[in-house]
Amino acid sequence: RKEVEQDPGPFNVPEGATVAFNCTYSNSASQSFFWYRQDCRKEPKLLMSVYSSGNEDGRFTAQLNRASQYISLLIRDSKLSDSATYLCVVTPNAGNNRKLIWGLGTSLAVNP
Amino acid sequence: DTGVSQNPRHKITKRGQNVTFRCDPISEHNRLYWYRQTLGQGPEFLTYFQNEAQLEKSRLLSDRFSAERPKGSFSTLEIQRTEQGDSAMYLCASRGQGANSYEQYFGPGTRLTVT
Repeated sequence: RKEVEQDPGPFNVPEGATVAFNCTYSNSASQSFFWYRQDCRKEPKLLMSVYSSGNEDGRFTAQLNRASQYISLLIRDSKLSDSATYLCVVTPNAGNNRKLIWGLGTSLAVNP
Repeated sequence: DTGVSQNPRHKITKRGQNVTFRCDPISEHNRLYWYRQTLGQGPEFLTYFQNEAQLEKSRLLSDRFSAERPKGSFSTLEIQRTEQGDSAMYLCASRGQGANSYEQYFGPGTRLTVT
C-alpha cells in the first residue's frame, strides 16, 4: 500500500463548479499535512497546509481527519486557472528532517 | 531572484555518461532536500541535508548517485553511469531553521533525459 493515496482523477469540471479531492495516508504518526499544486512541467508549489481544525483560504478549504487518516481539499467556484495537478503531501516524522511523502496527484481540468 | 535555483534546467545525456546537477537554496535556509519526479508520479524523496551533513538517504539513491553540500550552502547531485531509468525531473527544495518552518521551497528542477 502506498503511504499516500489520492483519487485517481482526472477531474474535468466546468467553470464555477465545486470539486473535492480526497487523500488517505497510512502512517498514523504523520505530523504535517499539505496540499501542493503543480502546473505542467513546473515545480510544485505549496497551496495550503492542513490542520485538524480545518482551514480555508478564499475558495479553497482543507480538512484533516486524523482518526480516519484522511485529508480533503475543496475548491469552490472553480476558475480556468485552477487547472493543474493537486498533490497530497505528508511528513511522516516530527524530527528535523520533515521529508515530504507525496501522493501521485490528481489532475484537474476546468473547462469554459 | 532570491528563490531556489537549479542548474542546468535541462540535460540530455547518453547512457553511461556521468551528470552533475547543482542546487542553490534560499540563502538563509540550512535544510536542503533532493527529490525525483517521473512522469505521472508524485515526487519521491532522495536525500536530506542539514547544513553540510547528509542526514538521510532514500533507498532510491543507489550507489551510482551521490550528493554533497560541502559548505552548507549549494548542493550537487551526481549520477554516474546513467541509465535510461534515471530520466526524470530532479527537484531541489530548501527549508528554514525555525521551529515552525514547515514549508519547503522548490527550485524549477533539472529535467534529465538519458538516451
